[in-house]
Amino acid sequence: QVQLQQSGPGLVKPSQTLSLTCAISGDSVSSNRAAWNWIRQSPSRGLEWLGRTYYRSRWYNDYAVSVKSRITINPDTSKNQFSLQLNSVTPEDTAVYYCARGPCSGGSCYSMDVWGKGTTVTVSS
Amino acid sequence: QSVLTQPPSASGTPGQRVTISCSGSSSNIGVNYVYWYQQLPGTAPKLLIHRNDQRPSGVPDRFSGSKSGTSGSLAISGLRSEDEADYYCVAWDDSLNGWMFGGGTKLTVL
Repeated sequence: QVQLQQSGPGLVKPSQTLSLTCAISGDSVSSNRAAWNWIRQSPSRGLEWLGRTYYRSRWYNDYAVSVKSRITINPDTSKNQFSLQLNSVTPEDTAVYYCARGPCSGGSCYSMDVWGKGTTVTVSS
Repeated sequence: QSVLTQPPSASGTPGQRVTISCSGSSSNIGVNYVYWYQQLPGTAPKLLIHRNDQRPSGVPDRFSGSKSGTSGSLAISGLRSEDEADYYCVAWDDSLNGWMFGGGTKLTVL
């Protein structure tokens, strides 16, 4: 079955870049039947979708308005994984970060069905 | 302030039926599917209902979903103590071009 394994630092300093990776097993980051998402959760903001990447003859990205100027989600086909980079972080970016798969079919994508375990990231000096 | 509105809490006694509402708009629930997730403490959300009213394999038929206009609803019948969790609705928003989560409903089994 599909599994997602997250990795990355749990502590990031303010103004620096938060970087996380999600390794995929049981599926392909290049699949045209999936989209690969990042979501975060904090007590103040609840669950918040951050963005996704997916392949349909070429790579596409969609990003949440709230982070659009600071976020990059990149696929890595050689390692079958995808990554999240969030620039210029502040304490407001402290949250549990999840990667998740969204299944797609016939040109439509559906909400996330497989989730990583989550990574707690604290932004503090 | 979440795009999708849920009551912050709900409660019921074992065996009862409980419903949780999710109010959206014409750019999300009004034109797209509603999804429901269950989240137990310290774990990732688990997909409970997809495409308005479909249960993934392994989800008990005590859980059911529905949609009407710009609102969705999750019903849990035969309430059990293990149903005590946070429940979230989700829908794609065509205007914001992204997945929107409700603020979550904490279900307490009395």
